[in-house]
Amino acid sequence: DIQLTQSPSFLSASVGDRVTITCRASQGISSYLAWYQQKPGKAPKLLIYAASTLQSGVPSRFSGSGSGTEFTLTISSLQPEDFATYYCQQLNSYPRFTFGPGTKVDIK
Amino acid sequence: EVQLVESGGGLVKPGGSLRLSCAASGFTFSSYSMNWVRQAPGKGLEWVSSISSSSSYIYYADSVKGRFTISRDNAKNSLYLQMNSLRAEDTAVYYCARVVATMVRGVINYYFDYWGQGTLVTVSS
Repeated sequence: DIQLTQSPSFLSASVGDRVTITCRASQGISSYLAWYQQKPGKAPKLLIYAASTLQSGVPSRFSGSGSGTEFTLTISSLQPEDFATYYCQQLNSYPRFTFGPGTKVDIK
Repeated sequence: EVQLVESGGGLVKPGGSLRLSCAASGFTFSSYSMNWVRQAPGKGLEWVSSISSSSSYIYYADSVKGRFTISRDNAKNSLYLQMNSLRAEDTAVYYCARVVATMVRGVINYYFDYWGQGTLVTVSS
């Protein structure tokens, strides 16, 4: 099974900061990676798929990059509504689409 | 507007059973594969099960294989998860999610674009 790790697991940042989250896969997954945002008590929300394609309606301050085993989610200028937990998901091994452990972004 | 609404969660004793439902609306349900994903309290997301649009292909996580059964009724626009032999570690919020398959840069990519609000299953004596 493909395992995903995320770093950091927790980060504290201020409004306006540039934030980068890394997701690493235990084996190459090409660009079969998605990113989700989850706020407390809510369902996950799709941000990015195919490693770098922004989902419709998602603000352009979110971007994704990477391929193979290393991927990044970047928030160019953190906004108050961006404080949440972010998960990566591999979609290479259909249909066992495993998730990373999550990165919680908190207010500094 | 696409909507997925789960129901059927609750408190059940270890060894008991529960059936979750997910009512879909706002899209052609019979055209999409569907999944169940769960999240234990304070933990991350865990893929549970997947069913193809016509129910021809069904898959389970090892943690639930042999105990859970996924099904769907396209005439009723509904997805189900029958959970038997429940354990304390099955305690979680259960989400249904729609899978999209789309071409990106010449390659089919998948992603979960719509999720329900979740239903809480608590397994405790």
